[in-house]
Amino acid sequence: SQQGEEDPQALSIQEGENATMNCSYKTSINNLQWYRQNSGRGLVHLILIRSNEREKHSGRLRVTLDTSKKSSSLLITASRAADTASYFCATDARGSQGNLIFGKGTKLSVKP
Amino acid sequence: DTAVSQTPKYLVTQMGNDKSIKCEQNLGHDTMYWYKQDSKKFLKIMFSYNNKELIINETVPNRFSPKSPDKAHLNLHINSLELGDSAVYFCASSPTPQSAQYFGPGTRLTVL
Repeated sequence: SQQGEEDPQALSIQEGENATMNCSYKTSINNLQWYRQNSGRGLVHLILIRSNEREKHSGRLRVTLDTSKKSSSLLITASRAADTASYFCATDARGSQGNLIFGKGTKLSVKP
Repeated sequence: DTAVSQTPKYLVTQMGNDKSIKCEQNLGHDTMYWYKQDSKKFLKIMFSYNNKELIINETVPNRFSPKSPDKAHLNLHINSLELGDSAVYFCASSPTPQSAQYFGPGTRLTVL
């Protein structure tokens, strides 16, 4: 069964605004990862947050993890047109040996 | 230098044919994966291969078989292709099963 569910499915914002995407999952995890996919391209890893971590930053990206609610959020601050892409959360469930379960993704559109 | 490469980029074939997709990584990673992304952009793990151990997603038909001639390569062979096999197939690799994954550019398979 599908593990991750992103919300919203699509998000359209203006350049300079912040974008927040949420992810919910169902089972215990080793870690949760966020990936970006530009149209027609492969996935690019953004951030990995372990189950014992609550928040992580990388440049303009901020990820939070709440294991009690089985949810995570990805915040992109001061968005740029180049951030336009689909964003996926993926969970590495306990015992899965790295077989990531991906959500359906959030399609982000940043208008210049 | 390309980290994870796949060939071919596009593959168009008839139903019933057998085809292979090749994947190579030059990152020295120990673990490699195959994912299938359907027309709705949903990504699903098919296989992972770590230290000669193959983990198969139970939903994958046995017409699909991964073959690893060495640690840097994990090829995907598909027998008796069906219309429903049309999708984008991504290869990925990671240093260990529970770390960030690096994706190839994808192979778009179209079965006519």
